[in-house]
Amino acid sequence: GEDVEQSLFLSVREGDSSVINCTYTDSSSTYLYWYKQEPGAGLQLLTYIFSNMDMKQDQRLTVLLNKKDKHLSLRIADTQTGDSAIYFCAERDQAGTALIFGKGTTLSVSS
Amino acid sequence: DAGVIQSPRHEVTEMGQEVTLRCKPISGHDYLFWYRQTMMRGLELLIYFNNNVPIDDSGMPEDRFSAKMPNASFSTLKIQPSEPRDSAVYFCASSSDTSKLFFGSGTQLSVL
Repeated sequence: GEDVEQSLFLSVREGDSSVINCTYTDSSSTYLYWYKQEPGAGLQLLTYIFSNMDMKQDQRLTVLLNKKDKHLSLRIADTQTGDSAIYFCAERDQAGTALIFGKGTTLSVSS
Repeated sequence: DAGVIQSPRHEVTEMGQEVTLRCKPISGHDYLFWYRQTMMRGLELLIYFNNNVPIDDSGMPEDRFSAKMPNASFSTLKIQPSEPRDSAVYFCASSSDTSKLFFGSGTQLSVL
């Protein structure tokens, strides 16, 4: 079945870049997603990338996709304390409907 | 739109009691998902509906769990009887085309 793996913690200083990595298993995934969860809240869609793209940039966010290695990364430039949250990588299930999430990477930003 | 609305926000109950979690999806969304979040297992998909019909309930842990969607604007997740290991945050999410899920704020369930 589908599986999404992420490292659990990342700690950076304010102003540095953060890179959160993810590996997935389903090579047929058409879209791959990054969601953000702030304390006490539900998940919010941060960005997504179509499988025929290698890179997508959206302001401070850069998503890189390596389909050969089934590796997805999220880079946050100039990380701010407000970026402290849990970041989830997700792929579609085999039916192409539900999302399968990784366990999430807790990003801690210190000033 | 107010977004996905879940109630209650917090629920504390004793082992053996029945628990009912409620969700109102975003109007016009055809898909509704129930997820459970724990530290150990992360986010697990429990069940999802399309046009009020359950499509995949393979994630429902056992017969103590049941979910219904009597109409397009309301869904419930029921646990009967509840056990301490059911303690988790339960999220409802809705979507119009499955490419983007919109999550509610979750129900924090504690079973003592």
